[in-house]
Amino acid sequence: RKEVEQDPGPFNVPEGATVAFNCTYSNSASQSFFWYRQDCRKEPKLLMSVYSSGNEDGRFTAQLNRASQYISLLIRDSKLSDSATYLCVVNPRGYNKLIFGAGTRLAVHP
Amino acid sequence: DTGVSQNPRHKITKRGQNVTFRCDPISEHNRLYWYRQTLGQGPEFLTYFQNEAQLEKSRLLSDRFSAERPKGSFSTLEIQRTEQGDSAMYLCASSSGRQGTNEKLFFGSGTQLSVL
Repeated sequence: RKEVEQDPGPFNVPEGATVAFNCTYSNSASQSFFWYRQDCRKEPKLLMSVYSSGNEDGRFTAQLNRASQYISLLIRDSKLSDSATYLCVVNPRGYNKLIFGAGTRLAVHP
Repeated sequence: DTGVSQNPRHKITKRGQNVTFRCDPISEHNRLYWYRQTLGQGPEFLTYFQNEAQLEKSRLLSDRFSAERPKGSFSTLEIQRTEQGDSAMYLCASSSGRQGTNEKLFFGSGTQLSVL
């Protein structure tokens, strides 16, 4: 079983739609969680951290469910510029590394 | 540009040759990471430095791979006797965050390696 699992997609949605991605992780001792965004042929960039209480950044909302070991990302009012791959990232306790999922592709069309 | 810099951007080599990549992290960042990414996959952790000390290595890092970070500044990743399976994007990242506390990684643009 992979340490971080995501639905690869692609999710094809029209502009203005709301879309949600989920991610599950296997290490229950994981302590930090993130969503990174990666555009085609570019490097990953931090989109947002994920906190236990849930957090929001503009149109983006991240949630963490430690009991079920899943993380979600909700994007409201999708824009064409949101088209990218969204990487779910976990930092296991005691390890000096971030573990990335394979990513979920989002394509927003006019 | 004060971001993470990687050289070269692309490297084409023949199987069996040695290659070396360089990474210059953001100057005040003491933590440096190497990742490898293949098409359709997320970045896979290879190794981690805190200052000049290599503190963690992945099992993915065979004995053909070696990384250094002399003086805790730039880092090099060398692959000896390259194989076709080594073809991938090699990403370097740096950070200044405390271990395990919402650490933000800044990635370079990567070195795309193609082994023929």
